[in-house]
Amino acid sequence: DGGITQSPKYLFRKEGQNVTLSCEQNLNHDAMYWYRQDPGQGLRLIYYSQIVNDFQKGDIAEGYSVSREKKESFPLTVTSAQKNPTAFYLCASSTQGTGELFFGEGSRLTVL
Amino acid sequence: SQQGEEDPQALSIQEGENATMNCSYKTSINNLQWYRQNSGRGLVHLILIRSNEREKHSGRLRVTLDTSKKSSSLLITASRAADTASYFCATAEGSSNTGKLIFGQGTTLQVKP
Repeated sequence: DGGITQSPKYLFRKEGQNVTLSCEQNLNHDAMYWYRQDPGQGLRLIYYSQIVNDFQKGDIAEGYSVSREKKESFPLTVTSAQKNPTAFYLCASSTQGTGELFFGEGSRLTVL
Repeated sequence: SQQGEEDPQALSIQEGENATMNCSYKTSINNLQWYRQNSGRGLVHLILIRSNEREKHSGRLRVTLDTSKKSSSLLITASRAADTASYFCATAEGSSNTGKLIFGQGTTLQVKP
């Protein structure tokens, strides 16, 4: 079945540690996105990539990093520089031009 | 930046009733989309309406778009308990073709059996 797989679903991290969230898609989509969702809030864009080996900052990129070495994969690293990393992280992908996003099931990160 | 403002923030209705959610936005758009999110899950795309469309239907969903007022509404008819979820509007700005969407804060809908 085609879709987007995020892992891990739950992650706990100590302050000062970097953590990497995985996002893999087999939909053959060119574009991929990372969003952050805080309780009771909408989604805010962290980074997006329209093509392999290229990505752009979204509205809240500080403290995060990404890579796009393969079309299928768009991992997100939450660095120790992110001051408030506890949140629900959602990865999405889309075909160029359609606008419709396909989402993974999310990764919930808790900083202890 | 948050573009969409949704109203109401929360809505509680009885099964069988209709649910209406509203979304307002600030800039010119290419299209407006509605998504659904069950608690703790990812978002699921419901419907997309383009800037040159005024109304669109999909099953029990009806979406309207008024570009002069920069607003949209989502109507769910004959609601079911399974419709309980959060609903988000999202806009694709102007002539942008990046797929980059800006989401509203969402409306939490509870449908009581």
